[in-house]
Amino acid sequence: EPEVTQTPSHQVTQMGQEVILRCVPISNHLYFYWYRQILGQKVEFLVSFYNNEISEKSEIFDDQFSVERPDGSNFTLKIRSTKLEDSAMYFCASRDTGTVLYFGAGTRLSVL
Amino acid sequence: KNEVEQSPQNLTAQEGEFITINCSYSVGISALHWLQQHPGGGIVSLFMLSSGKKKHGRLIATINIQEKHSSLHITASHPRDSAVYICAVEKTSYDKVIFGPGTSLSVIP
Repeated sequence: EPEVTQTPSHQVTQMGQEVILRCVPISNHLYFYWYRQILGQKVEFLVSFYNNEISEKSEIFDDQFSVERPDGSNFTLKIRSTKLEDSAMYFCASRDTGTVLYFGAGTRLSVL
Repeated sequence: KNEVEQSPQNLTAQEGEFITINCSYSVGISALHWLQQHPGGGIVSLFMLSSGKKKHGRLIATINIQEKHSSLHITASHPRDSAVYICAVEKTSYDKVIFGPGTSLSVIP
């Protein structure tokens, strides 16, 4: 069965460093998302992406965050200058028209 | 006030029991999702519905749009059903999906 793939599974970085979280959505899906979950808290929406542009973003998704779909298969989330409070599990998801969301296994980001 | 509320927050059941998890929301929606988050953290979509009722195996999801309420039922519960069950709403089709706080279910043999 097709699946959403995220790499790395765990990323450790120093505060102030840039990180790129990578996702390969399911082929032929049209809608792409990043969510995050701080330990012990609920899942929070970050951004949705469709037709090569951001369709909606949350208040969390400030100028430090950016997304890209550079080559038609990868979907990346970049955090320019990480803060301690960016430590969380980051989930990528994709979907096709009329379908449920398909989630990757997540990347655990630890900012030291 | 949270846009999506769930009850109960925590639930412990004996194997074989019928389980109901409730979700209420305060905004207009295009669809409602039920998801399962495993102890390891992975998230799996169970249902997406905008009206009526859906069934998959031992799981049944219902929604009442007028009352802004949905329920997830699990029949003949099993220890492998132990997980966090999350209700999430989609206000505009294919954009932001707002997650509820989740219901932690533990099914005891």
